[in-house]
Amino acid sequence: SAVISQKPSRDICQRGTSLTIQCQVDSQVTMMFWYRQQPGQSLTLIATANQGSEATYESGFVIDKFPISRPNLTFSTLTVSNMSPEDSSIYLCSVLSKSTDTQYFGPGTRLTVL
Amino acid sequence: AQSVTQPDIHITVSEGASLELRCNYSYGATPYLFWYVQSPGQGLQLLLKYFSGDTLVQGIKGFEAEFKRSQSSFNLRKPSVHWSDAAEYFCAVGAGGNKLVFGAGTILRVKS
Repeated sequence: SAVISQKPSRDICQRGTSLTIQCQVDSQVTMMFWYRQQPGQSLTLIATANQGSEATYESGFVIDKFPISRPNLTFSTLTVSNMSPEDSSIYLCSVLSKSTDTQYFGPGTRLTVL
Repeated sequence: AQSVTQPDIHITVSEGASLELRCNYSYGATPYLFWYVQSPGQGLQLLLKYFSGDTLVQGIKGFEAEFKRSQSSFNLRKPSVHWSDAAEYFCAVGAGGNKLVFGAGTILRVKS
């Protein structure tokens, strides 16, 4: 399975500001995903990020709020823009292993918005 | 639309006792099914998966799961629970386009 790292691991931010979360994987992958896990909740897919194309957002998530970059096959960023306390969540990236048709997850970024 | 139901929010078992976590899914075709575990402050770790073939699948850490098409279930089992198994367990179904739809999760507590 791929080794996935995320930065930062946690952050505390003020409302109205933006935070960019980085996801790095140790091998080249075509598909990367970003999920949100609100406190006490399950995971919800925000968007799918394929290298060389625009990210595909799920219902309820928009690019202006969660812009995503995918500059190469090992890296992606998710920005949480104009944050409010409701954005306090764990944000996780995952990658799809084509050889196993399985998603592997990073350790997550715990965001608290005051 | 695909959905996953984990009816038990919390389960408490004694160390050494057997465990079964329930998962029911809704999906029109043959599902890809997964169990992940999330320890406090950690990301998700894959325990096991089912794509096809033998309906009883073995995973890591002594876990197994059985796919029952007639019941739309994919329950996770372990014959003897260890204190280190305390965590939150998520069942997920592949929803097409390589997306995953997750259940609400079951928090497992292990008492000594």
